[in-house]
Amino acid sequence: DIQLTQSPSFLSASVGDRVTITCRASQGITNFLAWYQQKPGKAPKLLIYVASTLLTGVPSRFSGSGSGTEFTLTISSLQPEDFATYYCQQLNTYPPSFGQGTKLEIK
Amino acid sequence: EVQLVESGGGLVQPGRSLRLSCTASRFTFDDYAINWFRQAPGRGLEWLGLIRTKAYGGATKYAASVKGRFTISRDDSKSIAYLQMNSLKSDDTAMYYCARDLGGNSYYGMDVWGQGTTVTVSS
Repeated sequence: DIQLTQSPSFLSASVGDRVTITCRASQGITNFLAWYQQKPGKAPKLLIYVASTLLTGVPSRFSGSGSGTEFTLTISSLQPEDFATYYCQQLNTYPPSFGQGTKLEIK
Repeated sequence: EVQLVESGGGLVQPGRSLRLSCTASRFTFDDYAINWFRQAPGRGLEWLGLIRTKAYGGATKYAASVKGRFTISRDDSKSIAYLQMNSLKSDDTAMYYCARDLGGNSYYGMDVWGQGTTVTVSS
């Protein structure tokens, strides 16, 4: 199975900050990587798919990049509603696995 | 609004069975693979399995952790997908979600999720 490792696991930041979350795969997954946002008590929300395509309706401050084994999610200017847990998911190989999550907290 | 709604969760004793339903509305259910996920309290997301559309033979795939115990099916006439869970263990205690494949039968990700249904396995 492919392992995804996110870093950092916890991130403390302020409104307006630029933050980057990294997701590393244990083997190449081309660009079949998705990013989700999850708030407490809620289902995950898809933000980005195939590594860099923003889902319709997702604010443009979110962006994704990468291919192969290293991927990043960047939020260019944090807004209060962005404080949540973020997960990457690879869909290249079964089983589709998730990273352990990155909890983004308000500093 | 495009929607998925899970139901059927609850408290169940170890070794017993439970069937979850995932009811779709406001989209053409037949065109989309449905995936099931779970999230144990305070933990991350775990993919459980999927069922493809009839056009792809309704093929199913499962995570090793549930293969042989869980079965996914679908009734396109009712726009419902099911997760039959047998021989439940305490480790199966979690919030269970169904989700729609963005591209139908793609490798893109899940763009529509249900609100989740809680399963608690305890004596």
